[in-house]
Amino acid sequence: NAGVTQTPKFQVLKTGQSMTLQCAQDMNHEYMSWYRQDPGMGLRLIHYSVGAGITDQGEVPNGYNVSRSTTEDFPLRLLSAAPSQTSVYFCASTPGNYGYTFGSGTRLTVV
Amino acid sequence: GNSVTQMEGPVTLSEEAFLTINCTYTATGYPSLFWYVQYPGEGLQLLLKATKADDKGSNKGFEATYRKETTSFHLEKGSVQVSDSAVYFCALKNSGYALNFGKGTSLLVTP
Repeated sequence: NAGVTQTPKFQVLKTGQSMTLQCAQDMNHEYMSWYRQDPGMGLRLIHYSVGAGITDQGEVPNGYNVSRSTTEDFPLRLLSAAPSQTSVYFCASTPGNYGYTFGSGTRLTVV
Repeated sequence: GNSVTQMEGPVTLSEEAFLTINCTYTATGYPSLFWYVQYPGEGLQLLLKATKADDKGSNKGFEATYRKETTSFHLEKGSVQVSDSAVYFCALKNSGYALNFGKGTSLLVTP
């Protein structure tokens, strides 16, 4: 049972490049979410999904897109990377009113 | 809206000292409350949770009691170890599935 798997672990992008951060879970959780972690800011919610085909914006959605075509996968897309998107990104999932399972994170640097 | 406030860190303690990390929250209704721990270079792990007033969550010697009258969920441990050095996040979940995090408190335990 792998839990929540994020890839890649590290990535360096140039300003304006695009990329997709992958997130997959094998626990059949309906709810999945993406957070970014910045020093002194805690974790802030980017986008979330309550099931396949359903997504919504969180606190800091600008510059990011998501889709949820299957229960297992919830990729996060950066369409045109900016230095302000340098951060550590975490994907998380939950079956409902219990604790969340987090992935190990993707450390992204935009230069 | 929902918000979580944690004491500022870093907190530095000697091994076997008593730990308290303060957490207060603002929310309507009856949120669930969580403590997550993040070890260096890793993702967040659920440490403990409480889902209703006066509930006490406990795990690995850590405890926190859901106090609705003071809107608090302070984390305590009677005797910390070097291996407890990490960043601790208080979080709440209200209606829906999104987690609201505090900014995190860094703990360093010295031998």
